[in-house]
Amino acid sequence: GENVEQHPSTLSVQEGDSAVIKCTYSDSASNYFPWYKQELGKRPQLIIDIRSNVGEKKDQRIAVTLNKTAKHFSLHITETQPEDSAVYFCAAGLLNNAGNMLTFGGGTRLMVKP
Amino acid sequence: DVKVTQSSRYLVKRTGEKVFLECVQDMDHENMFWYRQDPGLGLRLIYFSYDVKMKEKGDIPEGYSVSREKKERFSLILESASTNQTSMYLCASSAGGRDEAFFGQGTRLTVV
Repeated sequence: GENVEQHPSTLSVQEGDSAVIKCTYSDSASNYFPWYKQELGKRPQLIIDIRSNVGEKKDQRIAVTLNKTAKHFSLHITETQPEDSAVYFCAAGLLNNAGNMLTFGGGTRLMVKP
Repeated sequence: DVKVTQSSRYLVKRTGEKVFLECVQDMDHENMFWYRQDPGLGLRLIYFSYDVKMKEKGDIPEGYSVSREKKERFSLILESASTNQTSMYLCASSAGGRDEAFFGQGTRLTVV
C-alpha cells in the first residue's frame, strides 16, 4: 500500500517569512495529492491539491509542487500570517471514478510568530 | 455547503463496552471514510465504504467494524473497547469520481 512521510513535524517561522513542508510517497500509481489544514479544535479542510499531470499549482500565498520521478511533493506558504498557524497534512491517493482513498502524512504543526 | 456530522464530540467509555460512532452526510456522497487521528501519526484509515452495504478495510481495521445500511450514514463500531482505542475519530465523505474529502468535526473517544 501507499506510505506517506511528512517533514518537519513542527515548524516555527516569523510572520512574513516563508514556510515549506515536504512529503514523500511510495506508490507510483498515486495521482492525487491534497493538502489539508486543521486549526486547533476544528476539522481538516482542503486548502490546495495537485494532480499528477501538473508540476506546480498556486493559489494566492499557497503553492504546491510535485516531482513524480522522485515521488515527492511540497507545500509552500509565502508571507506567512498568524492565522496560518495550524497543523497541515499532506496526502496521496489514486483518484478514479470510484472516488479517492487517501493515505495521510503524519502532519506538520506550523507556528507563525507575530 | 457539504455537511458531515458526527453524533458526539466527546465520549467516555469503559473497557469492554461496545461503542458506536455515527456519521451522517447530507450531500449524497458515494464514499465515506473513518479515520483515526493520533499525534505524529496523522490520519490513519480504518474502513471506507464506496456504496451502501459495501465496505473495505483500511490500514488499521483490527478491533473495528463498520455498517452502512443507508447512503447517508456510516457507523464505526468498537466491538469491545480497549484503552489503546482512545483517540480522535474523524469521519469523511466524498463524491465518486471527484476529489475533495469533507470531514466531520471529530469524536474524541476516551476508553477508561
